[in-house]
Amino acid sequence: QVQLQESGPGLVKPSETLSLTCTVSGGSISSINYHWSWIRQPAGKGLEWIGRIYTSGSTNYNPSLKSRVTISVDTSKNQFSLNLSSVTAADTAVYYCARAYGDFVEWFDPWGQGTLVTVSS
Amino acid sequence: DIQMTQSPSSLSTSVGDRVTITCRASQSISSYLNWYQQKPGKAPKLLIYAASSLQSGVPSRFSGSGSGTDFTLTISSLQPEDFATYYCQQSYSSLTFGPGTKVDIK
Repeated sequence: QVQLQESGPGLVKPSETLSLTCTVSGGSISSINYHWSWIRQPAGKGLEWIGRIYTSGSTNYNPSLKSRVTISVDTSKNQFSLNLSSVTAADTAVYYCARAYGDFVEWFDPWGQGTLVTVSS
Repeated sequence: DIQMTQSPSSLSTSVGDRVTITCRASQSISSYLNWYQQKPGKAPKLLIYAASSLQSGVPSRFSGSGSGTDFTLTISSLQPEDFATYYCQQSYSSLTFGPGTKVDIK
């Protein structure tokens, strides 16, 4: 069964770039049936979709974050990554990676366990 | 942008109760609506996709209905493991989640 695991620094300084990687195990990231997303959740708050990537490399981003987000995929390592530039304290959150299914009705299953990223000097 | 609202924001209830959570979209989203359950410190878990389809492995006490702008998640008989926060999510235009409904013990 497919499992996802986020990794990356837990502490990032303001104005720097947040970089996370999601490693997919138990299945191929290249499957045409799925695509891959990043979602975040500030402490005690709701969920915010960051963006998605298809195995073709095509991406879509949340308009509110689009100017600062880059998502990439490395099929040779079965990984996809998130870069979020010019971070502020407002970017402090638990970051999840998730497998997405569906082209119009799009849902997420499974999710990684999440990784807390704190933006602080 | 499509805004999602959920009601109630929280409810206190008892084991065995029937629970209904409502999700409303600011414009029609057809059936492009999913439901998730999240427990403290854990990732969300998919319950219902496409408004009314039960995800494999999810107990049949969970059901979803609705289309257009109004949707409901129903738990027919609440079990102890169901105390959690529930989120709806639309994918009709970009992708947004509702603010969540916390279900706790009365």
